[in-house]
Amino acid sequence: GAGVSQTPSNKVTEKGKYVELRCDPISGHTALYWYRQSLGQGPEFLIYFQGTGAADDSGLPNDRFFAVRPEGSVSTLKIQRTERGDSAVYLCASSLNSRGGELFFGEGSRLTVL
Amino acid sequence: GENVEQHPSTLSVQEGDSAVIKCTYSDSASNYFPWYKQELGKRPQLIIDIRSNVGEKKDQRIAVTLNKTAKHFSLHITETQPEDSAVYFCAARSAGNQFYFGTGTSLTVIP
Repeated sequence: GAGVSQTPSNKVTEKGKYVELRCDPISGHTALYWYRQSLGQGPEFLIYFQGTGAADDSGLPNDRFFAVRPEGSVSTLKIQRTERGDSAVYLCASSLNSRGGELFFGEGSRLTVL
Repeated sequence: GENVEQHPSTLSVQEGDSAVIKCTYSDSASNYFPWYKQELGKRPQLIIDIRSNVGEKKDQRIAVTLNKTAKHFSLHITETQPEDSAVYFCAARSAGNQFYFGTGTSLTVIP
């Protein structure tokens, strides 16, 4: 596609529920990143995919968070048993490859946990 | 892992003046340093970047300098305009290809 696409743009859920956030990167981009951004903060690294595999998932805060990219394109970030502290904007970014410089961001998915 | 610090957190300048934002990083293996501009409710967008084998890069009113020895890099905006008002983030790409971001600088250009 023309840019990185994220859905949903907004998600409101209740504490304890399960949510999925989807990212569709720019066509041909092999590297895909998930970030979390809280109000007034910089993007916080969560996980990085190179192709289908998670090259680095050290940023995932705990085992309630999981991400997949089964075919090396679309990725889904999954959050189980959501907590109010999970409320943030979840940003996805892609780059051409692991050595390609520029990150292209999506518009983000704003998650609110009540 | 990499740690990126950014200062100041807020910056107000008069239109036409210059603005400077500074960042430091901890991992000497980091090799690429982009700057992103984020307007309210919008996605971060790349405005300029610099690689570790270059000391300075300029693009019209925007310039970035890198001091590898001291592990710091700076963004310089000259002749600021109201449309430059936004939050600016620096970042460093580690040897493992993760990008680590600073906490952001909210720039306000006063007309």
